[in-house]
Amino acid sequence: GAGVSQSPSNKVTEKGKDVELRCDPISGHTALYWYRQRLGQGLEFLIYFQGNSAPDKSGLPSDRFSAERTGESVSTLTIQRTQQEDSAVYLCASTPATSGRAIFTGELFFGEGSRLTVL
Amino acid sequence: AQKITQTQPGMFVQEKEAVTLDCTYDTSDPSYGLFWYKQPSSGEMIFLIYQGSYDQQNATEGRYSLNFQKARKSANLVISASQLGDSAMYFCAMREGPGAAGNKLTFGGGTRVLVKP
Repeated sequence: GAGVSQSPSNKVTEKGKDVELRCDPISGHTALYWYRQRLGQGLEFLIYFQGNSAPDKSGLPSDRFSAERTGESVSTLTIQRTQQEDSAVYLCASTPATSGRAIFTGELFFGEGSRLTVL
Repeated sequence: AQKITQTQPGMFVQEKEAVTLDCTYDTSDPSYGLFWYKQPSSGEMIFLIYQGSYDQQNATEGRYSLNFQKARKSANLVISASQLGDSAMYFCAMREGPGAAGNKLTFGGGTRVLVKP
């Protein structure tokens, strides 16, 4: 596709349930990032993938959070036993590694996010 | 310590006037990059402008310019001739280390701009 695609765009769940959020990066972008944005706040880094491996998981807030990436493409962020404080917009971003200005600047191309509400 | 600080939570600007959004940063890495992103109410993050730490000149992109003062560690965004469509949240972000190494961006808390007709 033309841009980073995320699904679902909105998810309402009950406390204690597990949720999966999906990110489909721009074709050919080997680097993929997950960020969290709480209401009215800035973006918090969660995890970074280069290919299918995650060299930086330092932002994952607890062991309830995990992410994987397969085929150097789609990534899934999983939140187990959701809590109300997990309510936020989860943004995915990708960046190329082989061509374009972005490989020098590190510019991120963002999806429109998945809004998660935990009741 | 905060790596990116945006001290203005919100501001009003009159249409057609210029507005300056403040951003200060903290890093000891000699190679870094500074970004500004716009986030309208629809939620997408729109890249506006980039400044590399070794760039000699201030970056400009259309109506956007970045006032880069390296010694003061500030990277203020100037929007000239404000338009109603400029109403949005604006985020300053920093990449520490080279761009090709997959270094993540760290974001500030944002400034909400409302352009008045």
